Amino acid sequence: DAGITQSPRYKITETGRQVTLMCHQTWSHSYMFWYRQDLGHGLRLIYYSAAADITDKGEVPDGYVVSRSKTENFPLTLESATRSQTSVYFCASSAGTGDPRPYEQYFGPGTRLTVT
Amino acid sequence: DQQVKQNSPSLSVQEGRISILNCDYTNSMFDYFLWYKKYPAEGPTFLISISSIKDKNEDGRFTVFLNKSAKHLSLHIVPSQPGDSAVYFCAARRTGANNLFFGTGTRLTVIP
Repeated sequence: DAGITQSPRYKITETGRQVTLMCHQTWSHSYMFWYRQDLGHGLRLIYYSAAADITDKGEVPDGYVVSRSKTENFPLTLESATRSQTSVYFCASSAGTGDPRPYEQYFGPGTRLTVT
Repeated sequence: DQQVKQNSPSLSVQEGRISILNCDYTNSMFDYFLWYKKYPAEGPTFLISISSIKDKNEDGRFTVFLNKSAKHLSLHIVPSQPGDSAVYFCAARRTGANNLFFGTGTRLTVIP
């Protein structure tokens, strides 16, 4: 199906484990983003990517790693999960400059991660 | 430091009446603003946007107003419907950037 998908939708892991959240989009959007949503904080940007092999830090990057070897995929890895990383994670994409709606981001359904 | 602020965590409105959701920002470099709607267990969905060169944008029941001098924008929903019950996020884009800054959200409840 066209659009943006995330997997898994739910994940429970233990402190210290490595976890990878997957994100896939079919629009060939240039930009992709990872956010976390926490009560009282809204959506906070973790990392974003302007194109394949180009990534940059957002507001809360510590403890996270990203890669983007293909335009359509943007995985987020928690190298050693901590309880403070328990959150709902959203991936998003946008077309970027040249598109009639360059800045509108389209979100995936989210991954609820619990670190015990 | 929260550059986009939604100071009302929640709002309740009767069906058929107007809902007004407010958003304030601090960064004068913001030049594009968006509203997103979020239902539980789903990702945010784009609702409406406005460029800083305009002061109003309308799309059906939804209108966004921008007051640049006050660094304030608002979303009006008229008439409100029960299906509008959701969390609404305000977001802003800084000139030259493609990432967005989001507010903390306002939970709207439309009472039938």
